[in-house]
Amino acid sequence: DQQVKQNSPSLSVQEGRISILNCDYTNSMFDYFLWYKKYPAEGPTFLISISSIKDKNEDGRFTVFLNKSAKHLSLHIVPSQPGDSAVYFCAAYNTNAGKSTFGDGTTLTVKP
Amino acid sequence: SQTIHQWPATLVQPVGSPLSLECTVEGTSNPNLYWYRQAAGRGLQLLFYSVGIGQISSEVPQNLSASRPQDRQFILSSKKLLLSDSGFYLCAWSVFGYRTGLYNEQFFGPGTRLTVL
Repeated sequence: DQQVKQNSPSLSVQEGRISILNCDYTNSMFDYFLWYKKYPAEGPTFLISISSIKDKNEDGRFTVFLNKSAKHLSLHIVPSQPGDSAVYFCAAYNTNAGKSTFGDGTTLTVKP
Repeated sequence: SQTIHQWPATLVQPVGSPLSLECTVEGTSNPNLYWYRQAAGRGLQLLFYSVGIGQISSEVPQNLSASRPQDRQFILSSKKLLLSDSGFYLCAWSVFGYRTGLYNEQFFGPGTRLTVL
């Protein structure tokens, strides 16, 4: 049973437009949600996170929205830039378990 | 500043051969340490995590094992590799109180690409 799902394997967006990446989860025990960005042949790097008690967190061009009732979160990138092209992983953290569960990732391509 | 090292960067091994991947962290103390595997086209699968020296939690039954002989050293091993062990192996660390105040943010190493033939 996959507890964190990213249903879109890929997304293509024009430079300057908004990129929206989605993530769904099933475990109500998750209390933090994180987005990581990964380039080929490199380890993921942390991008932005949100606590389960909030519904929005913003950091520059990146905003994460959390809909707890729907068990859904999304990452908005505005405006999208070619350098944003990468694989984006959604992760959900359970403090009691002390570990994160990752989705399968979404490959974002931003076209110039 | 904190850094994490993994080696080797790439490895090609025959089926049935042993494996040893090493990960070391610098610039922090008492980190949580993690081993993940990313199979082709898939997400990150947590294999092992450790909250201290000699303390290892295994997430997935398999022919891999992990050890933490020192505070900032994490080793992934196998006595006999299988074809299904091929993948991209990532080591990560986290520390309580770093930036967000909890263990939830992880910092990943550069990874090891393992191909088992």
